[in-house]
Amino acid sequence: EVQLVESGGGLVKPGASLKLSCVASGFTFSDYWMSWVRQTPGKTMEWIGDIKYDGSYTNYAPSLKNRFTISRDNAKSTLYLQMSNVRSEDTATYYCTRVWYFDFWGPGTMVTVSS
Amino acid sequence: DVVLTQTPSTLSATIGQSVSISCRSSQSLLDSAGNTYLYWYLQRPGQSPQLLIYLVSNLGSGVPNRFSGSGSGTDFTLKISGVEAEDLGVYYCMQATHAPRTFGGGTKLELK
Repeated sequence: EVQLVESGGGLVKPGASLKLSCVASGFTFSDYWMSWVRQTPGKTMEWIGDIKYDGSYTNYAPSLKNRFTISRDNAKSTLYLQMSNVRSEDTATYYCTRVWYFDFWGPGTMVTVSS
Repeated sequence: DVVLTQTPSTLSATIGQSVSISCRSSQSLLDSAGNTYLYWYLQRPGQSPQLLIYLVSNLGSGVPNRFSGSGSGTDFTLKISGVEAEDLGVYYCMQATHAPRTFGGGTKLELK
């Protein structure tokens, strides 16, 4: 059974950094591109970015590429999202999902940015 | 960025009723290779999204065949032929033809 489980969310202050993780199981993680998507409290869905199966290429939403970095450790079947200089508008639930169809999603991890 | 406009924003239905959701794109989603990267997802209350339809009209794994997708270019439709209680939630369309991927605003399906 394919499973994706995100972690690392919480309450953070504006300007801080945060690293989210997503542990994958039930499939060969190193065969798949992976992606991060977020959902705001108002339920708006926003794609954050992708990473190639071997980690050699990443692609980001233009509005986020200067502050967010996606990486992976295939030996640990783990996907990461490094968030820096966070803002109140980054408050959202963050999901990892499998590219290309976004056919499996984790339960999400909630990030709240507030002073 | 491509804007996807979903209508209606809220849909009230009775069990067994057939309903349709529209997703209109600000640009054609047909790429130069003849592919159309339009997807549909359902997010049930308190759950993460799940894939219903990929590439306009292909049913996701395990998805009941009362769901169907159609359309081309800029106009797409998700149809549910006989709503069941488990279908309640918010439906999203997403396009991946043009970077960055973008989602529609969602259509909430509720019981009448």
